[in-house]
Amino acid sequence: EAGVTQFPSHSVIEKGQTVTLRCDPISGHDNLYWYRRVMGKEIKFLLHFVKESKQDESGMPNNRFLAERTGGTYSTLKVQPAELEDSGVYFCASSQDWINTGELFFGEGSRLTVL
Amino acid sequence: AQSVSQHNHHVILSEAASLELGCNYSYGGTVNLFWYVQYPGQHLQLLLKYFSGDPLVKGIKGFEAEFIKSKFSFNLRKPSVQWSDTAEYFCALKEIYNQGGKLIFGQGTELSVKP
Repeated sequence: EAGVTQFPSHSVIEKGQTVTLRCDPISGHDNLYWYRRVMGKEIKFLLHFVKESKQDESGMPNNRFLAERTGGTYSTLKVQPAELEDSGVYFCASSQDWINTGELFFGEGSRLTVL
Repeated sequence: AQSVSQHNHHVILSEAASLELGCNYSYGGTVNLFWYVQYPGQHLQLLLKYFSGDPLVKGIKGFEAEFIKSKFSFNLRKPSVQWSDTAEYFCALKEIYNQGGKLIFGQGTELSVKP
């Protein structure tokens, strides 16, 4: 079974540019999450989709970040325009039976470097 | 606001040494607690979890953790580490009323095991 896949694995852009990160969850997982880790600090929650609906977007830093999950399959996270403080590793995770298993399945992360 | 604190940022041990990684949380309500591990070049994966019941929980690869409610702690232990345990370890909590799977992570502890 394929795990959670993220693309690109590493992106280097200049301040003011746009970057789009993609996440493909495990097939059949309705729940999809985005997290971010900045500069060796804690991993922080960004938002949660249930199918195509945003269930909780309380962690989104500001309106430069836009997450979508059209059709309830893969998700994209767009940063526009990127700022220096957006550098970090963006993790995607998915789950199906969270209530009973309590397990999130993570991708390997997309490292974003903003110069 | 709820938070998770991991006191050790980097731990270096020799093989066969015993391991204890500290994790304390700040939250007045009932929580679920987790330890996740990220091996070099791999994705985050669940090591063990505590939902309820026996406060001593056992996970994969010989790891265990003990939930001490009075101390707001969930320390991770292993009697004898191996070189393959070299990884970064993350403690995390979920508020029990949160059905959505949002996790609050600690800063992570990097473990280096010398052969």
